[in-house]
Amino acid sequence: DAGITQSPRYKITETGRQVTLMCHQTWSHSYMFWYRQDLGHGLRLIYYSAAADITDKGEVPDGYVVSRSKTENFPLTLESATRSQTSVYFCASSESTVSTSNQPQHFGDGTRLSIL
Amino acid sequence: GEDVEQSLFLSVREGDSSVINCTYTDSSSTYLYWYKQEPGAGLQLLTYIFSNMDMKQDQRLTVLLNKKDKHLSLRIADTQTGDSAIYFCAEKGGNNRKLIWGLGTSLAVNP
Repeated sequence: DAGITQSPRYKITETGRQVTLMCHQTWSHSYMFWYRQDLGHGLRLIYYSAAADITDKGEVPDGYVVSRSKTENFPLTLESATRSQTSVYFCASSESTVSTSNQPQHFGDGTRLSIL
Repeated sequence: GEDVEQSLFLSVREGDSSVINCTYTDSSSTYLYWYKQEPGAGLQLLTYIFSNMDMKQDQRLTVLLNKKDKHLSLRIADTQTGDSAIYFCAEKGGNNRKLIWGLGTSLAVNP
């Protein structure tokens, strides 16, 4: 089915470990985004990507790494996880972000990450 | 910088109308969006409005935009318990490639 899928849905890991969250979309959308959602902070943009091999920092990029070797995939890596990175992570995609066009973002179901 | 604000909580009785409000600061906004997030789920696009419109109606949903006051509202008619969720307002600026998000309004519908 077309859509955007995130994996895993739930992950528990330990401080200092590397963990990668996966995001895959089947729409061939140009833009992809990673957000974290925390109580009291709403959605905060971590990184985004305009196309394959093009990525840019969002509001809260520290401690995260992204790559986009293929249009459909946008993995997010926590290189050395910390407790403050315990959160719900959402991936989203959109066709483009040209200001004059209506291109809403479409979200995956999220990954709930706990770091002990 | 750009900002979007929403009240955090709203409680209504089943069958009543709900009105969720949002204010934003970016005068060059092009599109404004309402998303719904049910417990344990991702964000689902509910509706949107282009900045040159005042109102948009979609079944039980009515979006009102006051561009002068930079105020956006979402009215849900005949609110049902299934409408209980967090509602996010987001705006897309003229020069901005990213959406600016409010913190979300948690709507509780009481039987």
